Amino acid sequence: EAQVTQNPRYLITVTGKKLTVTCSQNMNHEYMSWYRQDPGLGLRQIYYSMNVEVTDKGDVPEGYKVSRKEKRNFPLILESPSPNQTSLYFCASRRRLRETQYFGPGTRLLVL
Amino acid sequence: GNSVTQMEGPVTLSEEAFLTINCTYTATGYPSLFWYVQYPGEGLQLLLKATKADDKGSNKGFEATYRKETTSFHLEKGSVQVSDSAVYFCALSDQNFNKFYFGSGTKLNVKP
Repeated sequence: EAQVTQNPRYLITVTGKKLTVTCSQNMNHEYMSWYRQDPGLGLRQIYYSMNVEVTDKGDVPEGYKVSRKEKRNFPLILESPSPNQTSLYFCASRRRLRETQYFGPGTRLLVL
Repeated sequence: GNSVTQMEGPVTLSEEAFLTINCTYTATGYPSLFWYVQYPGEGLQLLLKATKADDKGSNKGFEATYRKETTSFHLEKGSVQVSDSAVYFCALSDQNFNKFYFGSGTKLNVKP
């Protein structure tokens, strides 16, 4: 089944403890993105990647890192999480630039 | 810069009522416009899109027309069903299709 998977789906952590949220797609898509969803703000793009080893900042990249070492994976790294990074995170992928984005199921993160 | 503004919800309608969800945008260049739908506990799914002025996107009875003169992309449906209950997001992509900007979302509740 073609899909975007994220792990974990739920995570509670404490301030300053490094964490990684994984994102994987099995559709051989070139483009991948990370978003965060907050009430009243909709989705905001954190980072995007156009291909392996090619990434760029979205609207709200501060406090996040990404890497794209393989085409199928695009992990989101929070080196030192803070409470203002408590949010619902979505990964998305698309095959080519102008094609439909497919979203993962989301990761709900709580930083205490 | 680029931004999307959509009407606040929730919007509550009876089954078979007419739906309009307003969306206006600010953008440089030639953006593409999208409506996404999010069902409870799920990621976003593309509902429809329009890539140039005067284009009409349509899907599952929903329609939206890209109006450059009024910078709008309002979502309409002639007769809503209970199964249409969800959160609807208006979004735009920059002309390079790399960055995406989302509105804050409008929750639609349809009562039988």
